[in-house]
Amino acid sequence: AQTVTQSQPEMSVQEAETVTLSCTYDTSESNYYLFWYKQPPSRQMILVIRQEAYKQQNATENRFSVNFQKAAKSFSLKISDSQLGDTAMYFCAFRSNNNDMRFGAGTRLTVKP
Amino acid sequence: NAGVTQTPKFQVLKTGQSMTLQCAQDMNHNSMYWYRQDPGMGLRLIYYSASEGTTDKGEVPNGYNVSRLNKREFSLRLESAAPSQTSVYFCASSEDLPGGLEGHFGDGTRLSIL
Repeated sequence: AQTVTQSQPEMSVQEAETVTLSCTYDTSESNYYLFWYKQPPSRQMILVIRQEAYKQQNATENRFSVNFQKAAKSFSLKISDSQLGDTAMYFCAFRSNNNDMRFGAGTRLTVKP
Repeated sequence: NAGVTQTPKFQVLKTGQSMTLQCAQDMNHNSMYWYRQDPGMGLRLIYYSASEGTTDKGEVPNGYNVSRLNKREFSLRLESAAPSQTSVYFCASSEDLPGGLEGHFGDGTRLSIL
């Protein structure tokens, strides 16, 4: 089964600065899908960004971008111009072709004013 | 525009009691999932269903059963609740290709077992 590892339990960043959250995964599949989710204190799960493994181009959504390194099985999230509202838990997720979807343990991000 | 609806939102059980958590989605998604989230941890997959009539075990299926009643509904049953099953339970659904494939989540059920 696939595994997802987030090695940074907690991170902090100053408002307006840039922060990168790490994620690695293990799979034998060649085609799959990767996601970053945000979970604020409200407990809602909010999709931040997605990446299809067959696409070489890194996904970007406004201030959020990924660095997808398929050979290294790495999928990091970069948040630029951090805002106070970015404070949340961030989860990396892997979806296989058989629809199994697994999550990492999460990184708690605090944006400091 | 309901999305994924979970009931109940909160529940307290005694050890040994049984309980069914309900989940329904109105987005015509094929895939549905049940996760549990323990304090300070990520989501662990309990069971998933890739289509109506099929279910598969995830990472932590022991102590749980599921039913994919129809395309809309996917229920999770605890036959004999144990304190170790105290957690927040999330249901999710997702599209298949060519859709986005990401999970759409319910608001969670906070379950406490005494």
